[in-house]
Amino acid sequence: DTEVTQTPKHLVMGMTNKKSLKCEQHMGHRAMYWYKQKAKKPPELMFVYSYEKLSINESVPSRFSPECPNSSLLNLHLHALQPEDSALYLCASSQRQGINQPQHFGDGTRLSIL
Amino acid sequence: AQKVTQAQTEISVVEKEDVTLDCVYETRDTTYYLFWYKQPPSGELVFLIRRNSFDEQNEISGRYSWNFQKSTSSFNFTITASQVVDSAVYFCALRSLVTGANNLFFGTGTRLTVIP
Repeated sequence: DTEVTQTPKHLVMGMTNKKSLKCEQHMGHRAMYWYKQKAKKPPELMFVYSYEKLSINESVPSRFSPECPNSSLLNLHLHALQPEDSALYLCASSQRQGINQPQHFGDGTRLSIL
Repeated sequence: AQKVTQAQTEISVVEKEDVTLDCVYETRDTTYYLFWYKQPPSGELVFLIRRNSFDEQNEISGRYSWNFQKSTSSFNFTITASQVVDSAVYFCALRSLVTGANNLFFGTGTRLTVIP
């Protein structure tokens, strides 16, 4: 079991739906990340939160909207997604946002857009 | 430019064989960290090791060992006496002040299959 918990594990949604992905960690980490991973590709960074504030947005389309309600939770709100958004979405956390900090990943949410 | 190259896309070995996964990196930064992650079929990325650019000491952890050589910009990973549970995709990654503290720059991964 990982220390970063993501729900749901699988999600199928239509292009007009609104859904949210959730991520939770109780390791006291103050940096949290969203990654997108397409099949047979490495993860690509989407967002970084540091001390509950959005630190980095890697030019992600506005149909993806992150939210960090507190230091343990990270959400990713989805609206009007496209079929090419189908992927594995990984959440990660690290103690701080520093280059020496190993990131700890959750199991991911496998998202399919119909 | 930052780059991580894992030239081996897929490797298959028979159980109990040793296997080495190659990782070559490029960075103009003098301070950087290298990481290895394992991604089993279930999806999560499991952190295996971190090495900073000033520490070239090799490391052994059970059946796993890592060989860091700055002279060749390589950070290779060896699994001794492989087991079926080692089957996974393995990613080498780089993080430096140039890429920014936010970005864990991954190689394309090596898919290891251990055949019973």
